[in-house]
Amino acid sequence: DAGVIQSPRHEVTEMGQEVTLRCKPISGHDYLFWYRQTMMRGLELLIYFNNNVPIDDSGMPEDRFSAKMPNASFSTLKIQPSEPRDSAVYFCASSLVLAGHNEQFFGPGTRLTVL
Amino acid sequence: AQSVAQPEDQVNVAEGNPLTVKCTYSVSGNPYLFWYVQYPNRGLQFLLKYITGDNLVKGSYGFEAEFNKSQTSFHLKKPSALVSDSALYFCAVRDRYTGGGNKLTFGTGTQLKVEL
Repeated sequence: DAGVIQSPRHEVTEMGQEVTLRCKPISGHDYLFWYRQTMMRGLELLIYFNNNVPIDDSGMPEDRFSAKMPNASFSTLKIQPSEPRDSAVYFCASSLVLAGHNEQFFGPGTRLTVL
Repeated sequence: AQSVAQPEDQVNVAEGNPLTVKCTYSVSGNPYLFWYVQYPNRGLQFLLKYITGDNLVKGSYGFEAEFNKSQTSFHLKKPSALVSDSALYFCAVRDRYTGGGNKLTFGTGTQLKVEL
């Protein structure tokens, strides 16, 4: 298995632009998570899905952030409009929830820089 | 509610010496506990987990962790550190009986530095 795939790996954009981050989870996994990592705030859970349905979006910082999961093999995290404080590394992770299989598998991340 | 604490921002150890990275947790029921490692410019990698059974859990790269219910701790250990172990280590917890699905709560991370 190729693992969790994220694209792009790096994104540099200007303030006010729309940014879309993409994630392909591990095939067969039923949970998908979006995290943000910064030096100041550490690792933050933004939102997670179960069987393509959003379960908890309480970590989404504001209405500028939205996430979708149209099918089991694809999810997007969109920021519109982007701001410099959104600069961070965004990780996608997936998991299969069976007895004894709760670990999450992380993608390589997308490093976002908003100028 | 579930929470996890990693009291040390950084741990320094000489190569060949044993290492310990500390983690304590809080859950209302029984925990699932995890350790992850993050190398520079990489995603988090799963190291090991405690689900049930033997309190000493062995994982990847020679790491192990000991679950201590009375002290609510899950410290990560390795008998002999390598320079290549230098990385950021995260402890995570999930309450086994919550309805929160597979949501993990992560600690703030401990930077391990192994020097020659």
